[in-house]
Amino acid sequence: ELKVEQNPLFLSMQEGKNYTIYCNYSTTSDRLYWYRQDPGKSLESLFVLLSNGAVKQEGRLMASLDTKARLSTLHITAAVHDLSATYFCAVVWGAQKLVFGQGTRLTINP
Amino acid sequence: KAGVTQTPRYLIKTRGQQVTLSCSPISGHRSVSWYQQTPGQGLQFLFEYFSETQRNKGNFPGRFSGRQFSNSRSEMNVSTLELGDSALYLCASSSGTYTDTQYFGPGTRLTVL
Repeated sequence: ELKVEQNPLFLSMQEGKNYTIYCNYSTTSDRLYWYRQDPGKSLESLFVLLSNGAVKQEGRLMASLDTKARLSTLHITAAVHDLSATYFCAVVWGAQKLVFGQGTRLTINP
Repeated sequence: KAGVTQTPRYLIKTRGQQVTLSCSPISGHRSVSWYQQTPGQGLQFLFEYFSETQRNKGNFPGRFSGRQFSNSRSEMNVSTLELGDSALYLCASSSGTYTDTQYFGPGTRLTVL
């Protein structure tokens, strides 16, 4: 059974700092997604990573995938308050089934 | 292009009742997946439908069922509701191809009293 683990689960940081969220998964997969969820809201797609070595960037967020290490990272550069949210990674397991990590609750303080 | 829509947005039911949730996917999308989100268990996959056929099923009891219509709209039904069924139920749509992103709807918040 595929397991997906994120760390840290909670992250409080100051504006302007850099940090990385890690997503490890237990079984081979070559598709991984990152989603953002604001309180009381649905999931917003951030990145889809489709192959080993894939790197995607959007604004202050950059995601990468290492399928051999079964590891994805979401790097935040010079954080701003608007990035406060819960971030989920999700690994595809059989066609369209997504297995989610526990989520990382990110709080960015002024 | 309109996004994924779900109705109703909020529901309050009592134990033992049944409930039906509806999801309309993005136009042109043929795959609809359902997920349950709770504070304790996180996001869990319920099932996925593609062209009116269930392709994938998660580890939920038979009280949870679904179907998809020819216009790709999907419904999810939960019978004999239990307190633990209180959750946010999210629907996601995609084209159903291997590399396509799943886009999530706003969710239905179900409270079981």
